Amino acid sequence: AQTVTQSQPEMSVQEAETVTLSCTYDTSESDYYLFWYKQPPSRQMILVIRQEAYKQQNATENRFSVNFQKAAKSFSLKISDSQLGDAAMYFCAYPTGTASKLTFGTGTRLQVTL
Amino acid sequence: DSGVTQTPKHLITATGQRVTLRCSPRSGDLSVYWYQQSLDQGLQFLIQYYNGEERAKGNILERFSAQQFPDLHSELNLSSLELGDSALYFCASSPRQGLQETQYFGPGTRLLVL
Repeated sequence: AQTVTQSQPEMSVQEAETVTLSCTYDTSESDYYLFWYKQPPSRQMILVIRQEAYKQQNATENRFSVNFQKAAKSFSLKISDSQLGDAAMYFCAYPTGTASKLTFGTGTRLQVTL
Repeated sequence: DSGVTQTPKHLITATGQRVTLRCSPRSGDLSVYWYQQSLDQGLQFLIQYYNGEERAKGNILERFSAQQFPDLHSELNLSSLELGDSALYFCASSPRQGLQETQYFGPGTRLLVL
């Protein structure tokens, strides 16, 4: 079965500090995308960043970056200079099957403190 | 704003009733996905349509059905509603289908069955 594991149910970071959320996955595919989605209290699912698995270079989007280790099937999200607005649930996901449905992890709830 | 719209935002109904959730994908996107987010099951894939045709089914109950119309909007029909159907229902769209496609999510429809 395809699985995504987010081993940190909750994380806390101080404003302006850096935090890393971990994710491991299991796929037999060679070319695929990986995603981090953010779900704030409004419950919207917002795309944070995506990584192309065939690219060795880690994706970066402003304060968000990933550490992608393809052989280890690890895909962690680093948030730099954390802001209060970063407080949310963060889901790691990747597409599987011919329909490319997304398989999600159970999420990490990030709290940002002053 | 992802460009995906969903209506209604909120829906409160009684057990045994039938409701229809509507989704308009981003302009140009041919693929539409439906997901259910409940407290105990997390984010689950329900069904996918591509250019009007059903392409994949996930954990969708027989009481649920969906379709995609020629203008590419999609509807998810939920009938004989039970208390356990209370959840947040998301629609997502992507240009095509494939492991290198990015799915963008609508704001969701919150369904409460009383």
